Amino acid sequence: AQSVTQLDSHVSVSEGTPVLLRCNYSSSYSPSLFWYVQHPNKGLQLLLKYTSAATLVKGINGFEAEFKKSETSFHLTKPSAHMSDAAEYFCVVSLNYGQNFVFGPGTRLSVLP
Amino acid sequence: DARVTQTPRHKVTEMGQEVTMRCQPILGHNTVFWYRQTMMQGLELLAYFRNRAPLDDSGMPKDRFSAEMPDATLATLKIQPSEPRDSAVYFCASGLVNGGTGFRTDTQYFGPGTRLTVL
Repeated sequence: AQSVTQLDSHVSVSEGTPVLLRCNYSSSYSPSLFWYVQHPNKGLQLLLKYTSAATLVKGINGFEAEFKKSETSFHLTKPSAHMSDAAEYFCVVSLNYGQNFVFGPGTRLSVLP
Repeated sequence: DARVTQTPRHKVTEMGQEVTMRCQPILGHNTVFWYRQTMMQGLELLAYFRNRAPLDDSGMPKDRFSAEMPDATLATLKIQPSEPRDSAVYFCASGLVNGGTGFRTDTQYFGPGTRLTVL
């Protein structure tokens, strides 16, 4: 069975500084990996996804993530945080062409002025 | 811009009443998921449909919850009778799964959710 760990429940950064949100997964097979963002009182929006192509994946709003098989990690980064990035971020692992979609517990990102 | 739509966006009801939530998946998508989100439990998968057939509803309390897809453009989630512990945000998501030798597409696209409050 696959699982997802997001090591930080809350991350706080200053505007203009780098963002790092950590995600580790366990899976017996080659998974697809996703990052979703949820702004307050909104639905989930896809940020980026990895599906066994390039290991460095670029997403929307300047975010990117790197798949590291040896570390079973898929950390999300952004060089410079913006106030609008404040939200909840979910790391997701998927097997069987989307049939098994497992969400991490989420990381709440706060951006300080 | 294709989107998943959900109605109603907000629902307040009293314990014991029937609640029906509706979802319109993105046109052409063949998978539909229902999730429930609460502060305590986070996101929980309730049910999963592919080509309108239920493939997994193990996350759903069977005695009071039911999920159906009357046609390819409508998915429903019904709670009867509702209880205060059902208060949550219910999300619908759709996707296109091609399990053949072609393009692998397994992204889920989420609707805005239905915020349910059961008094």
